[in-house]
Amino acid sequence: QVTLRESGPALVRPTQTLTLTCTFSGFALSTSAMSVSWIRQPPGKALEWLARIDWDDDKFYSTSLKTRLTISKDTSKNQVVLKMTNMDPVDTATYYCARLNPGSFSGFDFWGQGTLITVAS
Amino acid sequence: QSALTQPASVSGSPGQSITISCTGTSNDFTPYSYVAWYQQHPGKAPKLMIYDFSARPSGVSSRFSGSKSGYTASLTISGLQAEDEADYYCSSYTSTSPRYVFGSGTKVTVL
Repeated sequence: QVTLRESGPALVRPTQTLTLTCTFSGFALSTSAMSVSWIRQPPGKALEWLARIDWDDDKFYSTSLKTRLTISKDTSKNQVVLKMTNMDPVDTATYYCARLNPGSFSGFDFWGQGTLITVAS
Repeated sequence: QSALTQPASVSGSPGQSITISCTGTSNDFTPYSYVAWYQQHPGKAPKLMIYDFSARPSGVSSRFSGSKSGYTASLTISGLQAEDEADYYCSSYTSTSPRYVFGSGTKVTVL
């Protein structure tokens, strides 16, 4: 079955770079139409899409955060990595990785459990 | 890009039907835009309920349905049940400028 799991540091200092890893199973990101996105949710607030990487290595970023984000994949390890530079306390959130429903345009059908990242000095 | 606008809260009694609206602009709902809806219980990851405006993933109850009219998408929950009490988020995707925009979220309360 499809599973995703996020991992990363629980605490990040302001100005540091955050590195998050999404390790997945049950599908291959090398398969046509597959893609994985990162989405975050500040405590008590709405979801915010961050970035997406496709099976063919196409990459897409949030317009407001694109200068700070880098997404990459390692298909041999079934991992997707997100780097976010210059972290600020407003970036405190639960970060999720999610798979786009293959063959659809809009639905993330499988999500990781999320990892809470706190930015504080 | 601004979040899509949803009512902060909607409530209904068991067995009733409720509708949650999701309003955007002409940039959010183009002919190349697609809408999804998610259910999120406290402390849990979101769950996909509707994708591509009205399609239901396998395993999602037929009590959930989606539609769109102009710049507003809607999620209807019929036969409201206690387990439907959760936060609901819409999301719009536009293929010509691959980005996802989420709504502000709606808390559904079952009275």
